[in-house]
Amino acid sequence: ILNVEQSPQSLHVQEGDSTNFTCSFPSSNFYALHWYRWETAKSPEALFVMTLNGDEKKKGRISATLNTKEGYSYLYIKGSQPEDSATYLCALDTGGFKTIFGAGTRLFVKA
Amino acid sequence: NAGVMQNPRHLVRRRGQEARLRCSPMKGHSHVYWYRQLPEEGLKFMVYLQKENIIDESGMPKERFSAEFPKEGPSILRIQQVVRGDSAAYFCASSQSAGGAGNEQFFGPGTRLTVL
Repeated sequence: ILNVEQSPQSLHVQEGDSTNFTCSFPSSNFYALHWYRWETAKSPEALFVMTLNGDEKKKGRISATLNTKEGYSYLYIKGSQPEDSATYLCALDTGGFKTIFGAGTRLFVKA
Repeated sequence: NAGVMQNPRHLVRRRGQEARLRCSPMKGHSHVYWYRQLPEEGLKFMVYLQKENIIDESGMPKERFSAEFPKEGPSILRIQQVVRGDSAAYFCASSQSAGGAGNEQFFGPGTRLTVL
């Protein structure tokens, strides 16, 4: 059974703090990795898709890196804002039809 | 350009009844995925369909659950003889292409099923 692990499960930070969290996956099954942002009462929205070892993607204050050899990806948020509060999901695409989601990291940013 | 639409948003059923959840993909998308989110858990893949075909149903429970994506109309996730353990949020996503890099999935707002 393929497992995508995310840590920490939840994170509380102050406004202005920078933060990061981890997604781990079996490197032998890697095809692409997706990050989604999921706000409460909304649907998940795609942030990044990464395919190459060493990939780095950036969108505003949010960036992500990928290490396919060791099977992990980091998501970074610089200068967290209350509106960044959400669950951040990573999802592994194994090249088949099934996407395997991690359980997510819930981020709470306090003003 | 409407996104992925799901209805109903909330569905209450008594044990033993049938639940039908509908998903209309984004315009131009012919690939549909159903996910289930149980309380305190993440999204779990259930089934992937293209028009008129089930491609991968490895995440579907073997009994009582079925899915279809007809040539015309929305995709339907059908749960027969619901039990309390079926209570969950069911999300549908669609994509323009299947699998691989760039296969960005767009999610609907979900249907929250409550079984009394």
